[in-house]
Amino acid sequence: QKEVEQDPGPLSVPEGAIVSLNCTYSNSAFQYFMWYRQYSRKGPELLMYTYSSGNKEDGRFTAQVDKSSKYISLFIRDSQPSDSATYLCAMSNDYKLSFGAGTTVTVRA
Amino acid sequence: SQTIHQWPATLVQPVGSPLSLECTVEGTSNPNLYWYRQAAGRGLQLLFYSVGIGQISSEVPQNLSASRPQDRQFILSSKKLLLSDSGFYLCAWSEGANTEAFFGQGTRLTVV
Repeated sequence: QKEVEQDPGPLSVPEGAIVSLNCTYSNSAFQYFMWYRQYSRKGPELLMYTYSSGNKEDGRFTAQVDKSSKYISLFIRDSQPSDSATYLCAMSNDYKLSFGAGTTVTVRA
Repeated sequence: SQTIHQWPATLVQPVGSPLSLECTVEGTSNPNLYWYRQAAGRGLQLLFYSVGIGQISSEVPQNLSASRPQDRQFILSSKKLLLSDSGFYLCAWSEGANTEAFFGQGTRLTVV
């Protein structure tokens, strides 16, 4: 079993829709949770990070962590074509970061 | 502000040739440094990480090695490349344990 599971999609939504992305994990030692956005042939770009269970908002993005269920989510409101990318969840235990496989999202104009 | 430089962006190498990829970080001291590999359509696989000069931890046995000759320099090497070494290699840094990591733009390596 992988430490971090993420549905690879692909996910296709119309412009303006809410995008919902999820990851589950098995290692209860993970303490820090992140979401990255990766455009084709580029390095991942940090979108959001959080330590604690609950919601964290940043503009159109909301990150949600439920440590009791070992489940994290990213919501993108009012999605735009420029949001089309691969989204990677990541979580850390001490110095190591473990990543999900990434979900490819296409926002249709 | 901190920046991370990784080069080259693209590399085509024959099987059996050596490899050297370099990564440098500016604007911070004693960063944690990482090398990841990303296969097509797959997640990031941690190859090596370093918490200080000369300190290298290897996550998977393979044909690659890493070195950290200076505080903000991380090098990925191979003596003889295999076809299976092809992939997208990413360098990253973080400030400490349980903090976010920042990535370079990656090197796309094709072994032919």
